[in-house]
Parts: sequence; C-alpha cells; structure tokens
Amino acid sequence: AQSVTQLGSHVSVSEGALVLLRCNYSSSVPPYLFWYVQYPNQGLQLLLKYTSAATLVKGINGFEAEFKKSETSFHLTKPSAHMSDAAEYFCAVTRSSNTGKLIFGQGTTLQVKP
Amino acid sequence: EPEVTQTPSHQVTQMGQEVILRCVPISNHLYFYWYRQILGQKVEFLVSFYNNEISEKSEIFDDQFSVERPDGSNFTLKIRSTKLEDSAMYFCASSGDGGGYNEQFFGPGTRLTVL
Repeated sequence: AQSVTQLGSHVSVSEGALVLLRCNYSSSVPPYLFWYVQYPNQGLQLLLKYTSAATLVKGINGFEAEFKKSETSFHLTKPSAHMSDAAEYFCAVTRSSNTGKLIFGQGTTLQVKP
Repeated sequence: EPEVTQTPSHQVTQMGQEVILRCVPISNHLYFYWYRQILGQKVEFLVSFYNNEISEKSEIFDDQFSVERPDGSNFTLKIRSTKLEDSAMYFCASSGDGGGYNEQFFGPGTRLTVL
C-alpha cells in the first residue's frame, strides 16, 4: 500500500530564509509524487509534480523538489521565503493507474515571520 | 482561467438528514473526484468517476454515499443519512486526462457540519 509522511505539522521560517518541507513516501511501484498548496479559504493548487522525467522538479512560485529514490523522499524547498508563502502544504502520491487516486500526507503549515 | 467551483461553501445539517454537495468541474475535463478532510486530519480520497461510472472508491465511501453527474456540467456527492462523523471539508477535483500523473484541479471545498 502507498503512504506519505510529512515530518513536521508546523514549520516556521523568517522571511528570506530557506524553506524545507519534508515528505517521505512508501510505494511498492514507482510513484508519481505531487506537492499541493492550500491558501486560506481556497482549494488545493498544484505546486509541482514528479513523473519520472527528471529527479529535480521545478514548480511555481520558486519552489522545487528533488526525488531521491534511495531515501524515498520528495522534500520541497525554496531558497528564500516570502510572506505570501504562508499556507498549508500537502505532499501526495499516486500510482500510474487510470483512477488517479491521490494519497495525501498530513500537511505542513508554513509560517513566515517578518 | 477555468476553475472548479463548489456550492454551498458551508452546509449545516441535522444528523440523519440527506445532503447534496455540488461541484462544477472544469468544462472539458472527463475525470472527477471527491475528497474530504476531517478537521485536523489528512485529506482522504473518497471516489473517482469517469464515463458516468465510479472507477474507484475508498472504504469510507459506503452505501450512504453516492455520486452523480446529472447533466453535462454538475457533479454531485449525496450523503443519504448524515452522521456526526461526516462533518468535514469536502473537496471536488477534476482532471482533463486520466492516469496518476495528471494534475487534478481542486475546488475551494464545502464545509459540512452535522449537528
């Protein structure tokens, strides 16, 4: 069975500091991996996705994530946090099946301090 | 930019009542999903729908739940007899193509409160 673990339900950084949100997955088959962001009172928005084309994936708003098979990780990073990055971030995994069922991690709330 | 919309944004109901949550997916999308998030918990998959039938459902999606695409634009989730534990945020999503690698576009959610 597939699962996703996000380490740290809350992460706080200062504006301009590095953002690192951790995600580890378990999957018996090569996975597809996603990071979604949710701003208050909005739906989930795709930040980036890994579909085996490249291990370093660049997304919107300056975020990127690196797929490391040996560590079963897909951590999300951004070199310099902005106040507008404050939101909840979800890592998700799915199989290469037709249904597209997403399995989500618990979510990490990112706080950015001025 | 096309977006998924959901109505109502907040629904309050009494235990045992039926509720219908409505979604309008992006117009040319063919794959539709419902997820829910109980307060403080993970976003959980409920059901996927394609070609007018359920393609996959979770163990949560029991006989109390049903989905329907009554016309060319709406996608609904019905809970026949609500329970207290059905209180959650319900998200609708749609995708232009099937397969696990395709982006799902999410609506803003309907917060369901069962009293």
